[in-house]
Amino acid sequence: LAKTTQPISMDSYEGQEVNITCSHNNIATNDYITWYQQFPSQGPRFIIQGYKTKVTNEVASLFIPADRKSSTLSLPRVSLSDTAVYYCLVGDSGNTPLVFGKGTRLSVIA
Amino acid sequence: DAGVTQSPTHLIKTRGQHVTLRCSPISGHKSVSWYQQVLGQGPQFIFQYYEKEERGRGNFPDRFSARQFPNYSSELNVNALLLGDSALYLCASSLNRVVREQYFGPGTRLTVT
Repeated sequence: LAKTTQPISMDSYEGQEVNITCSHNNIATNDYITWYQQFPSQGPRFIIQGYKTKVTNEVASLFIPADRKSSTLSLPRVSLSDTAVYYCLVGDSGNTPLVFGKGTRLSVIA
Repeated sequence: DAGVTQSPTHLIKTRGQHVTLRCSPISGHKSVSWYQQVLGQGPQFIFQYYEKEERGRGNFPDRFSARQFPNYSSELNVNALLLGDSALYLCASSLNRVVREQYFGPGTRLTVT
């Protein structure tokens, strides 16, 4: 299973763009990169998923360099409601379960 | 559309007791996975069921068991509860066996005293 490394915590002011980087040096060819968001006492919520280059949806963008050994989740103009834990997961999930690390605790300050 | 539902929301049990947690996946989803999340940690994989068969098992003791019913709902059973079993138990459903994109329920908060 590809291990991931993320910062334990990050702080940001409202309205700023937040970039959370995840390292996954031993990512396999079939692995996808998936990010989840979790609020206290709730289940994680799928944010975005990608394989290479850039993926964008209504919530976030995901940047993946050519070597795929890292990825960056970009949250544009965060608000207080974006305060949550963000998890980066790597895997193909066909035969092995996704592994959640400790995630990155993002605190958005007014 | 209804999301993943779990019951009960909260549960308090005593050491040595047995507990059954229930999960209903999103309509049309055939895969259900169970996770345990203790405070301050990420969710830890317990089981995955797809088409009523166990497709994956995490590093949990045999006290933990699960099953999936013909309507794709699922139960997680834990026997001989320990204090360390206190956690948020999450159920996630996905359309098929590939679980890259999972939809989680709100969880069941289990407290063992």
